Amino acid sequence: DQQVKQNSPSLSVQEGRISILNCDYTNSMFDYFLWYKKYPAEGPTFLISISSIKDKNEDGRFTVFLNKSAKHLSLHIVPSQPGDSAVYFCAASASYNQGGKLIFGQGTELSVKP
Amino acid sequence: NAGVTQTPKFQVLKTGQSMTLQCAQDMNHNSMYWYRQDPGMGLRLIYYSASEGTTDKGEVPNGYNVSRLNKREFSLRLESAAPSQTSVYFCASSGLAGLVFGPGTRLTVL
Repeated sequence: DQQVKQNSPSLSVQEGRISILNCDYTNSMFDYFLWYKKYPAEGPTFLISISSIKDKNEDGRFTVFLNKSAKHLSLHIVPSQPGDSAVYFCAASASYNQGGKLIFGQGTELSVKP
Repeated sequence: NAGVTQTPKFQVLKTGQSMTLQCAQDMNHNSMYWYRQDPGMGLRLIYYSASEGTTDKGEVPNGYNVSRLNKREFSLRLESAAPSQTSVYFCASSGLAGLVFGPGTRLTVL
């Protein structure tokens, strides 16, 4: 049973436009959510996170939105750049204190075309 | 400061063979983790070590053993490899900035 789901395996966006990556979760005990970015042949790298006490967190071009009632989060990238082309994983944990014990989604491969 | 290093980068095994994947971190992190990544499955936690001297099972521990050799090193052992263990294995450690992953080991079991 996949507790964290990314239903879009791939997304293609034009450079300069907005990229929106979606993630759904089923476990209501999750209260800390993260996005990781992964380039081929490299390990995932942390991008942005959000605690369940917030509904939005911004870091430069990246914004994560959390809708707890819908058990849904999304990552917005504005404006998208070709260097953003990568696989994006959302992840969740039952507490920030869980450290690296994360449940990951399947990933969405983003392609940003010049 | 190398972060998290893993060896080997690639490995091909025959069914039934054994091997150990090595991982080391130089960030003085207490906690270390082993994840596997499979197509369509994301990353799944195999084992973790919250501190030196302790290890615990994650989501998919069957067929694996781990050793936390010291604060820096955390190894993953496959005693009798099976084709279902073909995967990319990532070691990670966690500190204040969250999880830091190594570059991965791509393992194929024939």
